Amino acid sequence: AQRVTQPEKLLSVFKGAPVELKCNYSYSGSPELFWYVQYSRQRLQLLLRHISRESIKGFTADLNKGETSFHLKKPFAQEEDSAMYYCALRGGGADGLTFGKGTHLIIQP
Amino acid sequence: SQTIHQWPATLVQPVGSPLSLECTVEGTSNPNLYWYRQAAGRGLQLLFYSVGIGQISSEVPQNLSASRPQDRQFILSSKKLLLSDSGFYLCAWSPTGQRGYTFGSGTRLTVV
Repeated sequence: AQRVTQPEKLLSVFKGAPVELKCNYSYSGSPELFWYVQYSRQRLQLLLRHISRESIKGFTADLNKGETSFHLKKPFAQEEDSAMYYCALRGGGADGLTFGKGTHLIIQP
Repeated sequence: SQTIHQWPATLVQPVGSPLSLECTVEGTSNPNLYWYRQAAGRGLQLLFYSVGIGQISSEVPQNLSASRPQDRQFILSSKKLLLSDSGFYLCAWSPTGQRGYTFGSGTRLTVV
């Protein structure tokens, strides 16, 4: 069965510091991975997906099949990055998503 | 435009009472629909999904059931709530055969 692990429940960094949110997965097929973000009082929304190889709001994530990881990175954190971040793997029933437990990112001024 | 509505936003129910959470989608047809739950200290877990009217599949056994009486309506129900049913419930939709998911605003359910 597929599994997504986000080892950090809470991550606190100072503004301007680099950020790395860890995500590891377990999946027997070819994975399709996503990062979702939920800002305070807002809906869960897509941040980026590995197939697009894009950079959104300064965040990037590279799929490492050898390490089965999809860590989210940003070189310089901003206060508006404070939010809950969820790593997700596509592969549930009818292509539903399997989510990690989420990491609460707090950017301190 | 495509939107998803989920209500109520918060709900406090006594143990043993029934439950009905509703989710409706606008601006699309024949979407895949999903119910997720996040219990305290746990990740979002897929509970049910539906690929069409009357077609419901369950990912995990539980005290809950789902129904899709109309193409763009997805209902999560329980006949008798348990304390363990407390959590945050999210409805989501995805175009059939396509990538991309849109999530509702969620319902915070507290069973007391």
